[in-house]
Amino acid sequence: GEDVEQSLFLSVREGDSSVINCTYTDSSSTYLYWYKQEPGAGLQLLTYIFSNMDMKQDQRLTVLLNKKDKHLSLRIADTQTGDSAIYFCAETINDYKLSFGAGTTVTVRA
Amino acid sequence: DTGVSQDPRHKITKRGQNVTFRCDPISEHNRLYWYRQTLGQGPEFLTYFQNEAQLEKSRLLSDRFSAERPKGSFSTLEIQRTEQGDSAMYLCASSLPTSGRGPTDTQYFGPGTRLTVL
Repeated sequence: GEDVEQSLFLSVREGDSSVINCTYTDSSSTYLYWYKQEPGAGLQLLTYIFSNMDMKQDQRLTVLLNKKDKHLSLRIADTQTGDSAIYFCAETINDYKLSFGAGTTVTVRA
Repeated sequence: DTGVSQDPRHKITKRGQNVTFRCDPISEHNRLYWYRQTLGQGPEFLTYFQNEAQLEKSRLLSDRFSAERPKGSFSTLEIQRTEQGDSAMYLCASSLPTSGRGPTDTQYFGPGTRLTVL
């Protein structure tokens, strides 16, 4: 099936770390993605991880992949007000189309 | 800026009218995708093109919807006899499949066209 699941909301204090979790369904997905969407805007690619990796770090972003449990997480270090947005994880289906979760709304409070 | 562009950004129409949206992909990207996003949901795949060939259509794409990419560059998505349930954000993405290190088909999204059917 194509049923990516994410927690819907996350509230975090400015300067703390945010962790967004996702479970996906297709064990054959070669890449898994994180996208960010600000109000009224399209999707901005944040980062991705290859399915044979366990972890990827990219500046303030750390992606962890547990392929056995089909669990993906995104950690944002030192969360800033500009990080307030909706974050989507996505898996590739048949190597071309993306299947998205419903998104996690991250609210950064001062 | 050479990102994906979409036009119009917003469209308000009355039920029963036809609407057409345009997407201009990143130059040289040979794959183009359409997704639909309703409030509180993630984008859902509608269709995709490789050059001018439409290779897959989701079952979400009823016969009132038609997409074209006549010269393998820009694409149009037309909705005939619009219904209130068609109200959504329509997102376009493009990609250039590559071999080698990194994802083979990273999709880059445009800003979307928000359709409101009254």
